[in-house]
Amino acid sequence: AQTVTQSQPEMSVQEAETVTLSCTYDTSENNYYLFWYKQPPSRQMILVIRQEAYKQQNATENRFSVNFQKAAKSFSLKISDSQLGDTAMYFCAFMIIQGAQKLVFGQGTRLTINP
Amino acid sequence: SAVISQKPSRDICQRGTSLTIQCQVDSQVTMMFWYRQQPGQSLTLIATANQGSEATYESGFVIDKFPISRPNLTFSTLTVSNMSPEDSSIYLCSAGEGNTEAFFGQGTRLTVV
Repeated sequence: AQTVTQSQPEMSVQEAETVTLSCTYDTSENNYYLFWYKQPPSRQMILVIRQEAYKQQNATENRFSVNFQKAAKSFSLKISDSQLGDTAMYFCAFMIIQGAQKLVFGQGTRLTINP
Repeated sequence: SAVISQKPSRDICQRGTSLTIQCQVDSQVTMMFWYRQQPGQSLTLIATANQGSEATYESGFVIDKFPISRPNLTFSTLTVSNMSPEDSSIYLCSAGEGNTEAFFGQGTRLTVV
């Protein structure tokens, strides 16, 4: 079975600072996807970034980037130049490529960006 | 990308009653998923719903409590049956195609009193 662990229940930074959210996972699979989702108070789950396990290059999306360490089973999210709108719950998630396509989520990190 | 409409967005229900949550996708998708998010917790998969077959339930979830319908490739319902206060949660519908991304509805906040 796959598990996803986020060890930081809460984080808080000042606007414009850089923040890194941690995620580790456990799996015996070799082909999978990793995701970071954002959930603001509106409850809508919003995809922030996706990483394919077979790609060595770290994914980036504007101010968001990941540090994917496959051997260490680590998948951290870096938010640069943080903005007030980044305040939300952030969930790390795992999906096996073959089979049911279901997501396994970590416990979440509540991120607060302070003005 | 897919747009998912979920309703109701919230409801307050009496214990012992049932609530059916609807999920409509704006395009055809093979797989749809139902998740539960208990207060302050992460998302837990309840079941996977494929069109034309019985839903596949995760450990700890049973069909009698959470019956699911999937009549076509764009629509699914989840019923929370014989509700108790412990069923108070956010229920989220999700759809995916090709393992590239899972799209989510806006969730249903259920409170059982």
